[in-house]
Amino acid sequence: GQQVMQIPQYQHVQEGEDFTTYCNSSTTLSNIQWYKQRPGGHPVFLIQLVKSGEVKKQKRLTFQFGEAKKNSSLHITATQTTDVGTYFCAGPTSGTYKYIFGTGTRLKVLA
Amino acid sequence: NAGVTQTPKFQVLKTGQSMTLQCAQDMNHNSMYWYRQDPGMGLRLIYYSASEGTTDKGEVPNGYNVSRLNKREFSLRLESAAPSQTSVYFCASTEGRADPSFSTQHFGDGTRLSIL
Repeated sequence: GQQVMQIPQYQHVQEGEDFTTYCNSSTTLSNIQWYKQRPGGHPVFLIQLVKSGEVKKQKRLTFQFGEAKKNSSLHITATQTTDVGTYFCAGPTSGTYKYIFGTGTRLKVLA
Repeated sequence: NAGVTQTPKFQVLKTGQSMTLQCAQDMNHNSMYWYRQDPGMGLRLIYYSASEGTTDKGEVPNGYNVSRLNKREFSLRLESAAPSQTSVYFCASTEGRADPSFSTQHFGDGTRLSIL
């Protein structure tokens, strides 16, 4: 069945350093979504990418969707302590109501 | 605006006990979902309901049952709890779109369930 993998599983960075997490799907996706979960909280939707090669920015966050629509990345520039949490990508099973979530990358920012 | 509300927030059960996790949304969303979250395994779909009156299995349905009581409410039942079901359970909902794979998920705060 469809699988969505994320690397790395954990990442510790010093405040001010950059951070990148990668998401890879075993199948082509119609779109990919990114969510952030703060410690003890619930996942919150960040962004959706639809087009092949699409790049979107939200302040210090840059999201990319691969040309083949099978991979994606999230890059955070100059991390802050408010960036702490787990970042998930999610890929839908085309034409259905089912979503497959990646395993997540837990980011810890050291002040 | 409450969004997605889950009850209870915490629960401790003994092996073999049963319980029902409740979820309600006030956003008039058509589709609702139950996930479990375990360390290092992300979010895994247990069951979902595309619309009122329908339910379908997700990745890990064994040991669970669901009821879509009406458009607002979607409950998850553990008939005979097992330690392997210790987890954090999240309910989510999505608005209805022509292509459902473009909908985005709205999550509740979760239920932290421990089974001894």
